[in-house]
Amino acid sequence: SAVISQKPSRDICQRGTSLTIQCQVDSQVTMMFWYRQQPGQSLTLIATANQGSEATYESGFVIDKFPISRPNLTFSTLTVSNMSPEDSSIYLCSVEEGPAYEQYFGPGTRLTVT
Amino acid sequence: GNSVTQMEGPVTLSEEAFLTINCTYTATGYPSLFWYVQYPGEGLQLLLKATKADDKGSNKGFEATYRKETTSFHLEKGSVQVSDSAVYFCALSSNAGGTSYGKLTFGQGTILTVHP
Repeated sequence: SAVISQKPSRDICQRGTSLTIQCQVDSQVTMMFWYRQQPGQSLTLIATANQGSEATYESGFVIDKFPISRPNLTFSTLTVSNMSPEDSSIYLCSVEEGPAYEQYFGPGTRLTVT
Repeated sequence: GNSVTQMEGPVTLSEEAFLTINCTYTATGYPSLFWYVQYPGEGLQLLLKATKADDKGSNKGFEATYRKETTSFHLEKGSVQVSDSAVYFCALSSNAGGTSYGKLTFGQGTILTVHP
């Protein structure tokens, strides 16, 4: 399976600022996904990023708040804009591989907003 | 829409005990089913998968069987270890929406703690 890295691994940010999270894959993949995991909760899909097209956002998530870039087949970024304490979560990227649509996840970025 | 329901947790066991974590699902079409594990402070790892009815996924002593008649995918292990302490997520993936990719739907997660 693909090896996925994320940067930063964690950060503490002040409200009103923005943070960009990077996701790097060691092989070319078509679909990349961004998830949010709020404290003690399950994962919620934010958006799906296909190289060469605009990201597709899930209900409740908007591009102005979570802009995504996908410049090539091995890299994507998620920006969390104008942060508030409610944005404190773990943000994970994943890639899809295999005929069963299984996804493999990066180690996550733990964000705390004060 | 698709949904996944896991047994309420947390689950606390002694080492070498038998583990069952229940998972049931609702989905259109023929989803693939997964168990993911999240160790403390880490991301999610794919533990096992099954792609069609009666398939059994297995890995690291864990097993789960895709039961279409009961729409279930229960996770079992015959003898747990302290190192199995983690959060376990049941999930399904389906492209029933006509997309070329699968969308994962997760259960709420079950915290497992194993004591020596």
